[in-house]
Amino acid sequence: GENVEQHPSTLSVQEGDSAVIKCTYSDSASNYFPWYKQELGKRPQLIIDIRSNVGEKKDQRIAVTLNKTAKHFSLHITETQPEDSAVYFCAASSNRDDKIIFGKGTRLHILP
Amino acid sequence: NAGVTQTPKFQVLKTGQSMTLQCAQDMNHNSMYWYRQDPGMGLRLIYYSASEGTTDKGEVPNGYNVSRLNKREFSLRLESAAPSQTSVYFCASSPGGTGGGGEQFFGPGTRLTVL
Repeated sequence: GENVEQHPSTLSVQEGDSAVIKCTYSDSASNYFPWYKQELGKRPQLIIDIRSNVGEKKDQRIAVTLNKTAKHFSLHITETQPEDSAVYFCAASSNRDDKIIFGKGTRLHILP
Repeated sequence: NAGVTQTPKFQVLKTGQSMTLQCAQDMNHNSMYWYRQDPGMGLRLIYYSASEGTTDKGEVPNGYNVSRLNKREFSLRLESAAPSQTSVYFCASSPGGTGGGGEQFFGPGTRLTVL
């Protein structure tokens, strides 16, 4: 089955700097890659997703890149702000079914 | 719209007791999911249901059973609770049918402690 690895597990960046979180997946049939953000004590929420027919997608300060050949995808957050402090999860899924497999998460700290 | 609701919010059980976690969604979604979240382990899929009347195992199904009662409701049952099942449980739903099911909407979670 699918296996998703996420790095780093913890990341601290200075406010205003950029943050990058990287994920790899194992199933070459995977074609849907969402990213979820979970603030402390709250439920996960989708922030951006990408499908395998595109290599990059942007939404304001957030971007995701996908390299299908290498089976890895990354989340980029630019001009980080205090409200970006949270746990971020990557995930992967294929057309075979409706389940997605999550990575173990990255705790992002934005330092003042 | 309430979105995805879960009951109860908190529960303490003794080893060997049973309980059912309830989940309901009002978004007319086809797919529903149960996850558990443990520190450092991310979100692990217990069971999911791609449509009313169907259920499938996820990554960690042992010790759990599920019922997709109708399109709106998906319950998770612990028949004989064990301390290893202490966790936060999230229910989620998604439209389904688009490869990966599309965006998942999560409930507020149930914090379960098994003594």
